Amino acid sequence: QVHLVQSGSELRKPGTSVKISCKASGYPFSAHSINWVRQAPGRGLEWMGWITTNTWRPTYAQGFTGRFVFSLDTSDSTAYLHIDNLRAEDTAVYFCVRYCSDGTCSGFDHWGQGTLVTVSS
Amino acid sequence: YELTQPPSVSVSPGQTARITCSGNTLAKQYGYWYQQKSGQAPVLIISKDTERPSGIPGRFSGSSAGTTVTLTISGVQAEDEADYYCQSADTNDHMIFGGGTKLTVL
Repeated sequence: QVHLVQSGSELRKPGTSVKISCKASGYPFSAHSINWVRQAPGRGLEWMGWITTNTWRPTYAQGFTGRFVFSLDTSDSTAYLHIDNLRAEDTAVYFCVRYCSDGTCSGFDHWGQGTLVTVSS
Repeated sequence: YELTQPPSVSVSPGQTARITCSGNTLAKQYGYWYQQKSGQAPVLIISKDTERPSGIPGRFSGSSAGTTVTLTISGVQAEDEADYYCQSADTNDHMIFGGGTKLTVL
């Protein structure tokens, strides 16, 4: 059974950084990309980008370049989201999501439980 | 590219709810639908415009016409009250979400 398990909530001060983990299990990690989706309090879903788990190539959506970095530890089937120079407007729940497109499945078919990042002085 | 959804839809139990999602990219790309209940992660309920993943109740269905995809919930139940998001891709394989529709079951 596919699972994506994310690290716990984080409280950070403005200007600091945070690294969120997303551990995958139940499928070959390199078979499907990992995407990141942000949801600010009371707001909708916002796609941040993805990283291919076979070639380690990241793609960032507009608005998520520079301070945001996607990375992998394929030996541990874990994806990471690093956010630098945190701002109050980064306060949100961050989801890691598997994107499946190999014919047996399609779309964002498995989601992590979400990690709340709160940025406050 | 943008995907436009109505902010809210309200229906009585047992009625049919229809939520639309419009955007130029839908003429060439598939649409997907996700259900998000309060405090939970979204769940994929419709993929490739019309396909229902395993485990999703049969009252959920999807359709597509031109630049609009529609999520239909037949025989709405109280447990269907949630936010619903459509999603597609642009020509550069960047993903897009609609703004979300809050379904209220009266």
